[in-house]
Amino acid sequence: AQSVTQPDIHITVSEGASLELRCNYSYGATPYLFWYVQSPGQGLQLLLKYFSGDTLVQGIKGFEAEFKRSQSSFNLRKPSVHWSDAAEYFCAVVHNQAGTALIFGKGTTLSVSS
Amino acid sequence: GAVVSQHPSWVICKSGTSVKIECRSLDFQATTMFWYRQFPKQSLMLMATSNEGSKATYEQGVEKDKFLINHASLTLSTLTVTSAHPEDSSFYICSARNARDNQETQYFGPGTRLLVL
Repeated sequence: AQSVTQPDIHITVSEGASLELRCNYSYGATPYLFWYVQSPGQGLQLLLKYFSGDTLVQGIKGFEAEFKRSQSSFNLRKPSVHWSDAAEYFCAVVHNQAGTALIFGKGTTLSVSS
Repeated sequence: GAVVSQHPSWVICKSGTSVKIECRSLDFQATTMFWYRQFPKQSLMLMATSNEGSKATYEQGVEKDKFLINHASLTLSTLTVTSAHPEDSSFYICSARNARDNQETQYFGPGTRLLVL
């Protein structure tokens, strides 16, 4: 069965520093991959997604992610973190069949220090 | 576009009562909606998949008689927590897929926080 692993439970980054959140997936074929962000008490906002094509995808709020098939990874990056980026980040995968729900990683909590 | 709303955003109820949560796609038609549950500091766990006009498909371990799902129209799915108990207190989030979207993007509602006393 497909699964998603986010190895880092909590990361603290200084404001202005770069960020990389790790995500590894387990899936036989090419998965559809997503990164979502959740602010406290809020629903999820889609940051970016990968279905096919260019393996480096750009998202909202200055985020990007790179799909690396050889490493089964889809790490999220941002060159300069802002205090407002502090939130919970979820990586997710969906089977490439219509109507299948998302499988989420356990999430990474990002704290931003000043 | 692609806005999903949930109502209510907060609900507090007594143990033994039933609570209905609505999930609406505001500007698109959703043939499929999903219901997730999230405990504090944890990830989202899929409860059920709701297809318009048919019975919901529940994940293993989710009691279908306790969590009643109705998807009567292309823009509305409801989750009813029947005879709620304190252990049902959680954050319930729905998502919807756009019927016209060939891609697997899901749009999430803001969530409903349920507290059962």
